Parts: sequence; structure tokens; C-alpha cells
Amino acid sequence: SAVISQKPSRDICQRGTSLTIQCQVDSQVTMMFWYRQQPGQSLTLIATANQGSEATYESGFVIDKFPISRPNLTFSTLTVSNMSPEDSSIYLCSAGVGVYEQYFGPGTRLTVT
Amino acid sequence: KNEVEQSPQNLTAQEGEFITINCSYSVGISALHWLQQHPGGGIVSLFMLSSGKKKHGRLIATINIQEKHSSLHITASHPRDSAVYICAAATNTGNQFYFGTGTSLTVIP
Repeated sequence: SAVISQKPSRDICQRGTSLTIQCQVDSQVTMMFWYRQQPGQSLTLIATANQGSEATYESGFVIDKFPISRPNLTFSTLTVSNMSPEDSSIYLCSAGVGVYEQYFGPGTRLTVT
Repeated sequence: KNEVEQSPQNLTAQEGEFITINCSYSVGISALHWLQQHPGGGIVSLFMLSSGKKKHGRLIATINIQEKHSSLHITASHPRDSAVYICAAATNTGNQFYFGTGTSLTVIP
């Protein structure tokens, strides 16, 4: 199994600023993903973090707003840039070592004021 | 239509009651996950299953691949079980998930 940690667990940020969320896995994983859960909504995939190349973004999400890094097989970051209150959400990292092994982080609760 | 449908959306139970949450999916999957989201937002993975049944303490998860249906059961429910339970289907074409909208469970003492 793999254990995923995220930092910070929660934060309150001001409009116009940026926040970087870290996702750390305790073992090497092939794929890492970032999700967003807006209030009252289900989880939505933002992007797939690829090691050694640019992230693959889903429709409706762009790199300028959500830059992602994946410097190695155990770590990824998601930055929420130029934040607005609409970015208030839970951001969740997940990691997979294969189709049968998927693990979820505890999430980061972001509030933008 | 969502690829993953959960029911009920909201559920209130008395402490000690047996609880069932249902999940139906329309896509081909490699595995199905049940997640628990606490009021503070933190998410915990409860089960990952691709066939049959799994049990962990008072929690039981079953899946019927032919019927594309999974259930999460909680026996002898307790107020600390109050949370949102989310079903997530992992696609068989890649490492991607479709999430249900969640079932908000409240267990009253």
C-alpha cells in the first residue's frame, strides 16, 4: 500500500494570492492526480501529473491557473494562482501504482476571502 | 447522466441501525473505491474492491460486476460514522476515477 500526505491540510487565503499544495507519497508511484471538490459538489479531475513532462489538464482547467509540478515519482505540487472566492474548494491528490492500486490523500481545504 | 450514481443522497439513522448506501456505475471499471469524507473535509479510503465482498470492522462493501452495482453497509451504526460516503469507479482504460456525488450520513444518538 501507499500512504499519501498533503500540505497544508487547510488554509485561508486572500483574493489575488497563490497557494501551493504539496502531495507526498511514501513510495514510488507511476501516476499522480489532482482533484477539486467545490462546495456541495463531487470531485472533479483537474489534471494528471506526469513525471518529467507537463501535466495533462482536463477540459476547463488551464496551466496558468493551476500549474503542477512532478519532479520525481513520489512528489507533486499543485498551485492555485491568482485566487478568487470561487477557488474555495477541497483539493485532493491521488496516486496509482496500477489500475488496482489507487490511493487518496487527505485533502486540502482552501478558503479564499 | 453521471457515470456513477449514488443513493440515497442524504440519510439519517438512529444509533444502532443497519445502514446501506448504494452505488451504480455505467462505465467499465478496474476497481471501485468507497471513500469517507469527514466534516472537516479530510478523505479516508475505506475499501478498494474489484469483486466479491470486503469487511473491515463494522463496514462491509460488496460489488456485483455483472450488475455494475456496489453497496456499502454499516452495521450497528454510531454517531462517529456521520460523514459523507463517496463511491469512486476506477476506469479500466487508465488510472482515472469517476466519482459519485456522495451520501451524507447522519447518525443520531
